[in-house]
Amino acid sequence: DVKVTQSSRYLVKRTGEKVFLECVQDMDHENMFWYRQDPGLGLRLIYFSYDVKMKEKGDIPEGYSVSREKKERFSLILESASTNQTSMYLCASSGRETQYFGPGTRLLVL
Amino acid sequence: AQSVTQPDIHITVSEGASLELRCNYSYGATPYLFWYVQSPGQGLQLLLKYFSGDTLVQGIKGFEAEFKRSQSSFNLRKPSVHWSDAAEYFCADANFGNEKLTFGTGTRLTIIP
Repeated sequence: DVKVTQSSRYLVKRTGEKVFLECVQDMDHENMFWYRQDPGLGLRLIYFSYDVKMKEKGDIPEGYSVSREKKERFSLILESASTNQTSMYLCASSGRETQYFGPGTRLLVL
Repeated sequence: AQSVTQPDIHITVSEGASLELRCNYSYGATPYLFWYVQSPGQGLQLLLKYFSGDTLVQGIKGFEAEFKRSQSSFNLRKPSVHWSDAAEYFCADANFGNEKLTFGTGTRLTIIP
């Protein structure tokens, strides 16, 4: 079974803090993705990566950056958290045209 | 631009009744279509996918979906729902080649006894 894990299920941070969300997959997938999920908006792609050190912007990259130093790990970084980044963050990796998702991190920015 | 529409925000069904969740896609070329389910507080689990071939696709948990090119639809069905099917369901379309998914906004399913 494909396993995608995320470092935290719940996080509470203060406005202006730097926030790291970590994602690890164990299937040697080349492609990894970060989404945010908000009620009524579905999932929106923030960034994705095709390979180590490769990244591309998704639909809503503003206020976020990413890092992929190892194939199995894809990190999402909020350089200076703001209250409008309160959301559910989902990581995915893909192989053979199918994405597999982690359990999500629910982030609250106060 | 690619888009996926799920016209029903919320559906309520009695336990044991049949279910159909609607999904329409807009991408003109051969679509790669998916249905995912999300239980409360959880990530997304793949129910089924369609790439080519037989237009009726079987998935996990007793779900099936039918691809209809003439209607640009990929509706999800289950003949008899169980209380454990209460969840949010997402339809998605993929761009072949880069595996990016475009998601619909989801349909929340409530099951009543």
